[in-house]
Amino acid sequence: GAGVSQSPRYKVAKRGQDVALRCDPISGHVSLFWYQQALGQGPEFLTYFQNEAQLDKSGLPSDRFFAERPEGSVSTLKIQRTQQEDSAVYLCASSKSRHLPHGYTFGSGTRLTVV
Amino acid sequence: DQQVKQNSPSLSVQEGRISILNCDYTNSMFDYFLWYKKYPAEGPTFLISISSIKDKNEDGRFTVFLNKSAKHLSLHIVPSQPGDSAVYFCAAGEEGGSEKLVFGKGTKLTVNP
Repeated sequence: GAGVSQSPRYKVAKRGQDVALRCDPISGHVSLFWYQQALGQGPEFLTYFQNEAQLDKSGLPSDRFFAERPEGSVSTLKIQRTQQEDSAVYLCASSKSRHLPHGYTFGSGTRLTVV
Repeated sequence: DQQVKQNSPSLSVQEGRISILNCDYTNSMFDYFLWYKKYPAEGPTFLISISSIKDKNEDGRFTVFLNKSAKHLSLHIVPSQPGDSAVYFCAAGEEGGSEKLVFGKGTKLTVNP
């Protein structure tokens, strides 16, 4: 597709439930990023892939968060045993090999609400 | 400790006038700065960037100024249009480091007709 596609757009999870968020990057984009945006905050880095390799996962807040990109294209962010503080918009972005200076392209995000 | 700060949560300007959005950073390792624009229910979209070797970059109505000694950058929009109403995020990164960006909290710009 023409842009970064994320699904679902909205997800309501009961506390303790596992969730999986999907990201389809722009075709041919080598780099893929996940960011978390809490209400009233800017996006915060979670993790970064170059092709299938996860090169930086320093932003993942706990071991309940896990991301994968097994074939270097579609990526899934999984959150186990969701907590209320996980409620946020999860943004996926992709770019060609080096994103600077043009930045990367974000998807519209998945809004996760944990109740 | 916020490495990128946007101290004005909101800004309101009249159509046709100049909008100036400000951003401060603390990490001297940052050598690339970007501005993103975000409409409700959409992801941020890239607007303009500047490398630390420059002090100004212009693209149409948008100009970004960088003052390295003050660790300060600003985005100027001239003339402002109602369609510019959005949240603007300042972001910073390291060219030779990780690909990640550090974002500010954003400034909501409202351009009144």
